[in-house]
Amino acid sequence: AIRMTQSPSSLSASTGDRVTITCRASQGISSYLAWYQQKPGKAPKLLIYAASTLQSGVPSRFSGSGSGTDFTLTISCLQSEDFATYYCQQYYSYPRSFGQGTKLEIK
Amino acid sequence: EVQLVESGGGLVKPGGSLRLSCAASGFTFSSYSMNWVRQAPGKGLEWVSSISSSSSYIYYADSVKGRFTISRDNAKNSLYLQMNSLRAEDTAVYYCARDRGLTIFEDWGQGTLVTVSS
Repeated sequence: AIRMTQSPSSLSASTGDRVTITCRASQGISSYLAWYQQKPGKAPKLLIYAASTLQSGVPSRFSGSGSGTDFTLTISCLQSEDFATYYCQQYYSYPRSFGQGTKLEIK
Repeated sequence: EVQLVESGGGLVKPGGSLRLSCAASGFTFSSYSMNWVRQAPGKGLEWVSSISSSSSYIYYADSVKGRFTISRDNAKNSLYLQMNSLRAEDTAVYYCARDRGLTIFEDWGQGTLVTVSS
């Protein structure tokens, strides 16, 4: 099974900051990676798939990059609504797996 | 608008059974693979099971294999998860998720809480 490890587990930032979250796969997954955002008490929301393709309706301040084993999610200019928990997910092989999550908090 | 509405959650004793349902609307249900993803209280996301559009391909997480059964009824636009031999560690919010393809979870329901406790 492929293990997904995110770093950091939590992050404090201010509105307007640029932040980067990293996701590492235990083996190569090409670009078969998605990113989700989850707010408390809500279902997750798809942000990015194929490592760097923005889901329709997602603001362009979100971007993704990487391939193989190392991936990043970048939010270029944090807005108040971006404070949430972010998860990466590999869909290269079964069982599908998620990272443990990165909680982005207001500084 | 895509809508996914889960139901069937509740409190069940260890060893018991429960059947979750997900009612889909706003899209051609029979054309999409569907999934169940769960989240234990205060924890991260865990993929549970996937089923292809015609039920030809079915996959399970090792943690539920042999105990859970995913199924669908395309005539009723519904997805199901039959959960048997439930354990305390199955306690979670269970989400139904529409598949964009390749198990990219494009749309999610609001979730239904399953609590396994004596």
